[in-house]
Amino acid sequence: DTAVSQTPKYLVTQMGNDKSIKCEQNLGHDTMYWYKQDSKKFLKIMFSYNNKELIINETVPNRFSPKSPDKAHLNLHINSLELGDSAVYFCASSQAQRGAFFGQGTRLTVV
Amino acid sequence: DAKTTQPPSMDCAEGRAANLPCNHSTISGNEYVYWYRQIHSQGPQYIIHGLKNNETNEMASLIITEDRKSSTLILPHATLRDTAVYYCIVRVDSSNSGKLIFGQGTTLQVKP
Repeated sequence: DTAVSQTPKYLVTQMGNDKSIKCEQNLGHDTMYWYKQDSKKFLKIMFSYNNKELIINETVPNRFSPKSPDKAHLNLHINSLELGDSAVYFCASSQAQRGAFFGQGTRLTVV
Repeated sequence: DAKTTQPPSMDCAEGRAANLPCNHSTISGNEYVYWYRQIHSQGPQYIIHGLKNNETNEMASLIITEDRKSSTLILPHATLRDTAVYYCIVRVDSSNSGKLIFGQGTTLQVKP
C-alpha cells in the first residue's frame, strides 16, 4: 500500500485553466502538507493542515486553494494557471515529531 | 527554524561508508535534527532524526556532537542506489506545525 498517494502524476495544461491535484494518506497522520519544487530543485512549503485546519500558508498566491475534506486528504486546487506554476508538487504527511512521508509528486506543466 | 550548512556535493566509493556532515550552529534546545534524501525524480524520503543522542536505524546512523552544533549522517555501506540529494533540516518538535525547511542539500554520488 502506498502511504501518501497523489494524482495525477503528470499534468499538462494551458495557461488560464483551473486544475486540481489530489492527495491521500493512509498513515493516520494528523498533519498534511503541500510542497513545490521548482526547476532549480528548491523544495518550498506551501501549506500545512492539521486535523483539517490550515496552520501554514507560506504567502502563496490566492489562486492556490487547498482543501481538506478529512484528515486523510489534502487536495490542491489552482485557478488561472500561469507559466510560472510549472513545477513538481509534493504532498506529505507527518505525525508530531516523527519524520514526514512524501508522495511521488505531480509534475505540472503549463503551456 | 535554525539554518543548516552542508557541502554541495560529495563522492563515495560503493561499499564504503558515506559520512555526510551538517552544521547547525544556531540550533535551539528544542529543535530536532532531521535527515531526508531525494533520489532523482522521486519524493523526499525520511531517513532518521534525533535530538541529543546518536541514533541508528536500518538505513543510517546519526551522530550529533555534544554541543549539538553539528551532526553527521553515516550510510555504513553505500550502494549505487544511495546516490541522491541529502538534506539536513532542523525544526522544532511540534505536534501542530513542524514545517520542514529544505536547503540545497548535499548531492552524494556513489561510484562503482
